[in-house]
Amino acid sequence: ILNVEQSPQSLHVQEGDSTNFTCSFPSSNFYALHWYRWETAKSPEALFVMTLNGDEKKKGRISATLNTKEGYSYLYIKGSQPEDSATYLCASITGGGNKLTFGTGTQLKVEL
Amino acid sequence: DAGVIQSPRHEVTEMGQEVTLRCKPISGHNSLFWYRQTMMRGLELLIYFNNNVPIDDSGMPEDRFSAKMPNASFSTLKIQPSEPRDSAVYFCASSSQGVGGNQPQHFGDGTRLSIL
Repeated sequence: ILNVEQSPQSLHVQEGDSTNFTCSFPSSNFYALHWYRWETAKSPEALFVMTLNGDEKKKGRISATLNTKEGYSYLYIKGSQPEDSATYLCASITGGGNKLTFGTGTQLKVEL
Repeated sequence: DAGVIQSPRHEVTEMGQEVTLRCKPISGHNSLFWYRQTMMRGLELLIYFNNNVPIDDSGMPEDRFSAKMPNASFSTLKIQPSEPRDSAVYFCASSSQGVGGNQPQHFGDGTRLSIL
């Protein structure tokens, strides 16, 4: 993996469904993995920053895991609500510094 | 606590004009980032500063783009001369300096730039 890749590109789920997305990133010289939530017409909002292999973070119904050896992270949303509709971006830092490389995002639509 | 403040929110100008975008980071943050969002390329980093010093400007498209950070509370991104292909949303973000990027970035509301 040379770039940050996210899948799926878009997702439609029903209210109450649980869902998850994948972020793949370069595993060599890994420093940090960020997740952001981006609502339409707003700016990206930080959800999680993870740095250690095996990290798990949780904020309400949203959680994330990190595997730095194989270069992937999962974001989980339990019991999706319409207000969860947004684009979820992941970004990684490799080689030190503060330069984030973003994926193209997973666009989530939660329908009633 | 005030977030990252960008101005203007919208800018419409004619090709060839100089455009200046402004950013005030969160007080106490010592890293500042300029991003550009387009449909084709998504969110891409243009340049970032640590302690007012430019660290990585490899994302700056060409010499028409320049950025400065004269002090810890203010940064500008300038495009001169502007071209229609510069039309995009430009975001500024700031974070506190962490080791290896372990601090989240806080984004401003963005400047929507349209070059006619």
